[in-house]
Amino acid sequence: ETGVTQTPRHLVMGMTNKKSLKCEQHLGHNAMYWYKQSAKKPLELMFVYNFKEQTENNSVPSRFSPECPNSSHLFLHLHTLQPEDSALYLCASSVQGSNTEAFFGQGTRLTVV
Amino acid sequence: GQNIDQPTEMTATEGAIVQINCTYQTSGFNGLFWYQQHAGEAPTFLSYNVLDGLEEKGRFSSFLSRSKGYSYLLLKELQMKDSASYLCAVSPDSGGYQKVTFGTGTKLQVIP
Repeated sequence: ETGVTQTPRHLVMGMTNKKSLKCEQHLGHNAMYWYKQSAKKPLELMFVYNFKEQTENNSVPSRFSPECPNSSHLFLHLHTLQPEDSALYLCASSVQGSNTEAFFGQGTRLTVV
Repeated sequence: GQNIDQPTEMTATEGAIVQINCTYQTSGFNGLFWYQQHAGEAPTFLSYNVLDGLEEKGRFSSFLSRSKGYSYLLLKELQMKDSASYLCAVSPDSGGYQKVTFGTGTKLQVIP
């Protein structure tokens, strides 16, 4: 248990489905992140929220839509995904503007069929 | 640009010592992270080196040479539970994870 909780742990969805990934942290952190982890590839930063404001969007396709209603919760809304979007999606949190330890959730293993 | 290289896989024997190397060429450098990730689990923080030299934390040590663009993670007295992927990551500044670049990770297998 790292203090960052992600649900669901596993998700299988069709290309026409709409689903959402949820992330929650009660560590008092004010920065939250979505990462994509594919086999044999580096962790790819998708979105960054500092103090609930999105500050980075690393050219992520619009079929991924983040939402950060408060500093403890982060969502990733998914729609019309492609099979190549199948990956492990990791949420993380940290103290904003600091290179101290980031805490990661266990991830959602997403399979798009 | 950012380029981080680390071996894809390594195998070592229980009780032995293993060194996992990481080289980087990045535009800007503040420090280097090491994270451990067990299969199907969250990455967990091991170290963050800013200054040259060796930092020891129990069985794990991390070394940095800024002039050579090189770091290594040293694991002593290997245990079976050390089988995991080890991620090297570089931060170009002190401003948080927005610009941190991760390597592909080194999958370490510890055998009896």
